[in-house]
Amino acid sequence: QSALTQPRSVSGSPGQSVTISCAGTSSDVGAYNWVSWYQQHPGKAPKVIIYDVNKRPSGVPDRFSGSKSGNTASLTISGLQGEDEADYYCFSYADSYVVRYTFEFGGGTKLTVL
Amino acid sequence: QVQLQQSGPGLVKPSQTLSLSCAISGDSVSSQSAAWNWIRQSPSGGLEWLGRTFYRSKWYIDYAVSVKSRITINPDTSRNQFSLQLNSVTPEDTAVYYCVGEGYVSGTYVLAAWGRGTTVTVPS
Repeated sequence: QSALTQPRSVSGSPGQSVTISCAGTSSDVGAYNWVSWYQQHPGKAPKVIIYDVNKRPSGVPDRFSGSKSGNTASLTISGLQGEDEADYYCFSYADSYVVRYTFEFGGGTKLTVL
Repeated sequence: QVQLQQSGPGLVKPSQTLSLSCAISGDSVSSQSAAWNWIRQSPSGGLEWLGRTFYRSKWYIDYAVSVKSRITINPDTSRNQFSLQLNSVTPEDTAVYYCVGEGYVSGTYVLAAWGRGTTVTVPS
């Protein structure tokens, strides 16, 4: 069971928008703006598409955007394209009572482009 | 551009030690602006952060609570690489293991440079 909660799957048609949520707590997503999102195609390593909640690395299309409200971060993909079909994971820094700090992943969301 | 080359066995017997290495090109393991992580992905797809090391005038090494009693991450400055050792493995340690570098995107704690992954199987 992952520390951050994501929907297992979402879907949308080409051109539409979809939003993937990442629910955490006041010890991780809610406490820090150190949330990033990763896209993973089958057989490939994950690739960062959003960092620091809402920033895009160079080369990532502006169709990808991130936001946060309270303890929940969100990834929105607008103007869906077939190549967006992939798994998406959120990732966050988190406080820990046992070690200095830790990092958590969401369970992943499979995006299907219909 | 930093590249990470992973090496190590793909099959480890139960109760033995999993050992992987990650050779860095295009940067230094002692970089004062990078950090080096190990992450694994289970057969069901979930990603799990295992630990990281970095150098900021001295070495820091941090581990996930879930593996803290069994894991060792070591930087190797002579070979410009870092390693992962996981002791007393069980079939639940079967996963794809990635070495991952931070510091190549301007944000904080961004996993920007990934190795290709090593599939490690622990048979039951």
